[in-house]
This record gives sequence, C-alpha cells and structure tokens, in this order.
Amino acid sequence: KNQVEQSPQSLIILEGKNCTLQCNYTVSPFSNLRWYKQDTGRGPVSLTIMTFSENTKSNGRYTATLDADTKQSSLHITASQLSDSASYICVVSQTDSWGKFQFGAGTQVVVTP
Amino acid sequence: AAGVIQSPRHLIKEKRETATLKCYPIPRHDTVYWYQQGPGQDPQFLISFYEKMQSDKGSIPDRFSAQQFSDYHSELNMSSLELGDSALYFCASSLVGTRRSDTQYFGPGTRLTVL
Repeated sequence: KNQVEQSPQSLIILEGKNCTLQCNYTVSPFSNLRWYKQDTGRGPVSLTIMTFSENTKSNGRYTATLDADTKQSSLHITASQLSDSASYICVVSQTDSWGKFQFGAGTQVVVTP
Repeated sequence: AAGVIQSPRHLIKEKRETATLKCYPIPRHDTVYWYQQGPGQDPQFLISFYEKMQSDKGSIPDRFSAQQFSDYHSELNMSSLELGDSALYFCASSLVGTRRSDTQYFGPGTRLTVL
C-alpha cells in the first residue's frame, strides 16, 4: 500500500477558479513534506517544503498546509491559470533516510479557459 | 540561474546494451539524486550521493551502478538493458550540508527507450 495517498486523481477547473488538492500519508518517522509541480515530460519543480513544525507555506498562488497530527496536507491553488495545468505530486520523506522519498501518485490538474 | 543539466536528453538502445546517463548538478550543490519514472508511474528513487559518497539507496537494480565524481557530476551506468528499463530518468541536486530539509532541483530528464 502506498504510504502517500493523493486525491482527487484528476481535476478539471475553469481558469480563475480556486482548487484544493489533498495528500494523506502514513510515512513514519516524518521529516518533511513537499509539493511538486510536474509538466508532462519535464522534471518536477518544487513548490513548497514543510517540516513537522510548519503548518502553512505559500509560494505565489500556491499555499500548502500541513497537519502533522492527522498526517494530512493540502495544496491550494488560487485564481488558477492555464499554465497551472500539470501533475501535482506530494512527496514525504522520513527522518531516517537521506534522499529516499515516498511519492504520491499525483493529482492531474487541467485548467480550461 | 543555472539549473541541473542532464545528458543526453534522449537515448535509444537495444536489449542487452549498456547506457550511461550524465547529470551535472547546480553549482555548489553537494548532493545528487537519481529517479526513474516509468510511463504513467510515480518517480522511483534509485540512489543518491552526498559529497561523492553514496548516501542512500532505493530500488536500483543490480545491473545499474552510479557514482559522483570530484566535480560533483554524477553518472548512472546501466548494463544488460531490458525493455522494462524504458523510462524517464531524472537527476536532482540539492545543497544539503548538515541539513536534511533540502530543496531538490530536478533536471529535465533523460528519456531512455530500449528496443
């Protein structure tokens, strides 16, 4: 069973609207959680990284939240743009590993005009 | 700003051949990570190097080997290629130092096709 579960699997939204992606994890012991944006055929681009003590972090129109108690994270996209169409991947790392990450399956976001 | 460079960008090989993928990290970054992403799949962590020493190992097949050189570039060597090795291979780099909460910067990937 994947230790990082993302929902929804895919999402279609109208340009200008907001959306929220979810990530639930069971990875333990927890070190940090990252959100990446990956365009098709391109390398993932880091959006946010949060450690245990951080509850929220913003990067432009992207805002990530983390509840380490419930092991849940969300990524909120505000005022979506066509360029936001991509796969958004939640990645969790453990404190006893260095570079070994657990990847979620990603949420495919399609922004339509 | 300089990014992670990978070469070649595309590679076509036949079964049982060998392939070498190269990764040039962002200047001054001390850590390199290799990932394999099959069609429609999540990236799978293969191996990482910190200061030219292997720092972690994931699902890297025994047919693959990798190293990080004195100039911090890394090479992933793949032998006895199989059809299932066809994938996008990403390299990422980060400046870790004594911290583990690092941001990884990914390269554009090398698309390997095994025929």
